Amino acid sequence: EGRLVESGGGQVKPGGSIRLSCAASGITFNIAWMNWVRQAPGKGLEWVGRIKSQTDGGTTDYAAPVKSRFIISRDDSQNTLYLQMNSLKTEDAAVYYCTTRLNTIFGVADFWGQGTLVTVSS
Amino acid sequence: SYELTQPPSVSVSPGQTATITCSGDALPKKYASWYQQKSGQVPVLVIYEDTKRPSGIPERFSGSSSGTVATLTISGAQVEDEADYYCYSTDSSGNQRVFGAGTKVTVL
Repeated sequence: EGRLVESGGGQVKPGGSIRLSCAASGITFNIAWMNWVRQAPGKGLEWVGRIKSQTDGGTTDYAAPVKSRFIISRDDSQNTLYLQMNSLKTEDAAVYYCTTRLNTIFGVADFWGQGTLVTVSS
Repeated sequence: SYELTQPPSVSVSPGQTATITCSGDALPKKYASWYQQKSGQVPVLVIYEDTKRPSGIPERFSGSSSGTVATLTISGAQVEDEADYYCYSTDSSGNQRVFGAGTKVTVL
């Protein structure tokens, strides 16, 4: 059974940086297109960005609010996804989820981690 | 930036049909998915590629799409279907994913 586990959340000051990790198991990570999604307290889901598999170019796309501040990367040898968050703003405070969707012989499988909380305050 | 528009709330009596719409300019060419999120829980995919239901999702959940509007229908809504529902799709370039603002479904 596939599993995603985020880590690295915590409190950071405005203007600061933090790196989140997402460890994958039970899935073919190297072919997965991985997304980061966030949810501010009491708010809706917001797509943050995506990285394609290396075989599909490994390119990244970002939502406008985080573009040029956040960087998504992956280490397929470690089955791990990263989110480097720089120049943090108070509005970046949220639970951050990594997620992916894969086609299997049983149909589509959609995986989400449990999330990691990032708070931004002075 | 691209947006998907959903109604903020929908109320339905148990056993009745709940309908949630999602409007977006790229929907004629891009698939919509739907997520259910209950309070304090991780989102669960209930519909993908407009109409397909993942394994384990009850048959009362169905999806459709016509023109710029995708629709999630809960036929015979149950109390346990109370949740926030989000549509999810991509802009016309395929590079920007986006969620709708969410619809709170109340079953009472």
